Amino acid sequence: GEDVEQSLFLSVREGDSSVINCTYTDSSSTYLYWYKQEPGAGLQLLTYIFSNMDMKQDQRLTVLLNKKDKHLSLRIADTQTGDSAIYFCAERENYGQNFVFGPGTRLSVLP
Amino acid sequence: KAGVTQTPRYLIKTRGQQVTLSCSPISGHRSVSWYQQTPGQGLQFLFEYFSETQRNKGNFPGRFSGRQFSNSRSEMNVSTLELGDSALYLCASGGQSETQYFGPGTRLLVL
Repeated sequence: GEDVEQSLFLSVREGDSSVINCTYTDSSSTYLYWYKQEPGAGLQLLTYIFSNMDMKQDQRLTVLLNKKDKHLSLRIADTQTGDSAIYFCAERENYGQNFVFGPGTRLSVLP
Repeated sequence: KAGVTQTPRYLIKTRGQQVTLSCSPISGHRSVSWYQQTPGQGLQFLFEYFSETQRNKGNFPGRFSGRQFSNSRSEMNVSTLELGDSALYLCASGGQSETQYFGPGTRLLVL
């Protein structure tokens, strides 16, 4: 079955860049997503990328997709303390099919 | 546009009882998905409803059921509650796009 993996923890200094990595197994994945979850809250959609794209940039966020290696990354430039949260990678094969989420990476931003 | 709303936000039940959770999607969205989030198992897909029909289903026992009404509002029911059902239950709303938008969740505690 489909599987999405992420490292569980990442710690960075305020002002540095953060890179959160994700690997997935389903080569049919068409859509790949990054969500953010703050304590006690639901998931907030950050960005998503189609599998025919290599990169997508949105303000401080850059998503890189290596389809050959089934590797997705999220780079957060100039990381702030407000970026401390759990970041989930998710994939979806096609519209109408369910999302498969990774375990989440807990990002801690140190002052 | 109002976001996804879930009620109640917090709930305490005892083993053996049943519970009903409610989700109102974003206006115009016809898809509602339910997820269970626990520290041990992460985010697990329960089921998805689209236009009042269950479109996808995860690997949960029959004690977990749901339905969707003609106004796209959805309810999730868990019967014969077990301690292990304690979790954050998240609802996600999807429209004619590739994305899902999550509600704040209902935190269920089973004693």
